[in-house]
Amino acid sequence: TQLLEQSPQFLSIQEGENLTVYCNSSSVFSSLQWYRQEPGEGPVLLVTVVTGGEVKKLKRLTFQFGDARKDSSLHITAAQPGDTGLYLCTPDFGNEKLTFGTGTRLTIIP
Amino acid sequence: NAGVTQTPKFQVLKTGQSMTLQCAQDMNHEYMSWYRQDPGMGLRLIHYSVGAGITDQGEVPNGYNVSRSTTEDFPLRLLSAAPSQTSVYFCASSPNPGVNYGYTFGSGTRLTVV
Repeated sequence: TQLLEQSPQFLSIQEGENLTVYCNSSSVFSSLQWYRQEPGEGPVLLVTVVTGGEVKKLKRLTFQFGDARKDSSLHITAAQPGDTGLYLCTPDFGNEKLTFGTGTRLTIIP
Repeated sequence: NAGVTQTPKFQVLKTGQSMTLQCAQDMNHEYMSWYRQDPGMGLRLIHYSVGAGITDQGEVPNGYNVSRSTTEDFPLRLLSAAPSQTSVYFCASSPNPGVNYGYTFGSGTRLTVV
């Protein structure tokens, strides 16, 4: 059984600050996706990372895939209120069952 | 393109009642799945299907049935609702299983069992 942990569970920061959230697994995975979920909506795909050590940038969001392929991080620069939401990671363990972390609930205070 | 459509958006059931949560997608995706989301628990997989006529159990299948008679539809049935099934339910679809293809989620059904 693969264990998946996201940290921190909750994060509340002021607009303009930087932040990093983490996704860690007990097992190696082949690729990983990050989703953002806003209240009352389903998760929406942000990015897929597929190569160990890979770094992808999406405007103010930087996603990194760990070299050991057991962890990933999401860094947000100059956070804005529109970044508020639940951030979920889901690694690909090579089976048909998509497993999500419990998420990081991010609140950006104007 | 409607994407993934879930109905109803809200539902209140009495303990012991049955109901079907509907999920339809118009993207010709082979893979469809149902999740429930509870506070502090993230998304937990209930059932999934890799194509019409094929279904399998996820992490929390007890109390739920599914069928996949067409590519487009993947209904979730609660045969005898229990308060423990109070949750928000999400349906998702993808061209194929695995994260490389990306999953499209519906906007959810909020179910309360009293």
